[in-house]
Amino acid sequence: QSVLTQPPSASGTPGQRVTISCSGSSSNIGSNYVYWYQQLPGTAPKLLIYRNNQRPSGVPDRFSGSKSGTSASLAISGLRSEDEADYYCAAWDDSLSAANWVFGGGTKLTVL
Amino acid sequence: EVQLVQSGAEVKKPGESLKISCEVSGHSFSIYWIGWVRQMPGKGLEWMGIISPVDSDTRYSPSFQGQVNISVDKSISTAYLQWSSLKASDTAMYYCARLYYGSGSRYMDVWGKGTTVTVSS
Repeated sequence: QSVLTQPPSASGTPGQRVTISCSGSSSNIGSNYVYWYQQLPGTAPKLLIYRNNQRPSGVPDRFSGSKSGTSASLAISGLRSEDEADYYCAAWDDSLSAANWVFGGGTKLTVL
Repeated sequence: EVQLVQSGAEVKKPGESLKISCEVSGHSFSIYWIGWVRQMPGKGLEWMGIISPVDSDTRYSPSFQGQVNISVDKSISTAYLQWSSLKASDTAMYYCARLYYGSGSRYMDVWGKGTTVTVSS
């Protein structure tokens, strides 16, 4: 059971806009930044979004992140076949005596 | 360019010990903490812990405390993940990642390619 909750799957057709949600609590998303990672099949995770809505250099502006309260979302516009991957949200969690980094369970995005 | 180069795949038997490595290049090793993440076959990412290259201050996820040991060797810019007695359930891909710190936030930005560990009798 992951601390952050994501839907296990999402899908869309090329060109569509899809969103992936990430639900947490006051001890993680509610009080800390949210990060998103993309994991293409057979590869290491790659940072997609940092500090809720910032894109690292090289990440297309088709990818955007947002946060509201204890939830966050990743939006992908102009969906492309190469976006088919697993997506993970992450945040620091302050519920224990020391901060812990927590991941969502991951969302498998299928491009139909 | 920052790179984290991980050691090669390992096949071990239950009860054996193992130490895998993560060599960092492209930035001063002492600046950023290094983290380890487990991914069991077909499953999601699990944060194991982080270590400071400066003083080896280590923070473990409660799920991994006492199960593994994280260490560094500053002289060769390398972080390690170690088991004293492997179990079949340790079979997984293990990633190291740099814990970048800036503008009041810390996050894993650059990742190694991963080390596959298979534990089977």
